[in-house]
Amino acid sequence: GDSVTQMEGPVTLSEEAFLTINCTYTATGYPSLFWYVQYPGEGLQLLLKATKADDKGSNKGFEATYRKETTSFHLEKGSVQVSDSAVYFCALGGSGGSNYKLTFGKGTLLTVNP
Amino acid sequence: DAGITQSPRHKVTETGTPVTLRCHQTENHRYMYWYRQDPGHGLRLIHYSYGVKDTDKGEVSDGYSVSRSKTEDFLLTLESATSSQTSVYFCAIRTGLAGPNTGELFFGEGSRLTVL
Repeated sequence: GDSVTQMEGPVTLSEEAFLTINCTYTATGYPSLFWYVQYPGEGLQLLLKATKADDKGSNKGFEATYRKETTSFHLEKGSVQVSDSAVYFCALGGSGGSNYKLTFGKGTLLTVNP
Repeated sequence: DAGITQSPRHKVTETGTPVTLRCHQTENHRYMYWYRQDPGHGLRLIHYSYGVKDTDKGEVSDGYSVSRSKTEDFLLTLESATSSQTSVYFCAIRTGLAGPNTGELFFGEGSRLTVL
């Protein structure tokens, strides 16, 4: 079945550092790929998405490129801020039609220190 | 914006009691989902619905049942709660459809359930 493996945390960075959170997936067909973010005490918010190979999703300075050849969707940001401290989830959407569902990774806790 | 209301937001109950969580949407989205979030497990799908009276199981459906008698409401029931069902439960709706394998999920704020 579909599965998502993402980098285990926690990840601790200093402000303005470069961020990479790795995500790889296993799926049949052509899934959509997502990154969600969960700030402390809140629900999940969509951060960015890509629906086909070579698409790049971007939002709030974060980027991720859908790489079908390496089955990856790594999240990157060039310069993190304290306000980026949160849990980040990689997810894939697939199994098409009425069986469409999102499968999530286990999440990566990011802490950014001033 | 899609509007989702989950109720109750917090509940403490005892082992063996029934519990029902409600998810209400203000728009007409066809697909609705219940996930649970636990440390070290991320989000895991419990049940989902692709229309009124159309539901299916997710990966952790044992001990849970759902009902969808109208488009806007999706109920999750724990027939006899156990301590292993202590968790945060999130409802979600599918938006942004552009094809059979597309569409993001929009999440509610969560319901924290503690089973003593």
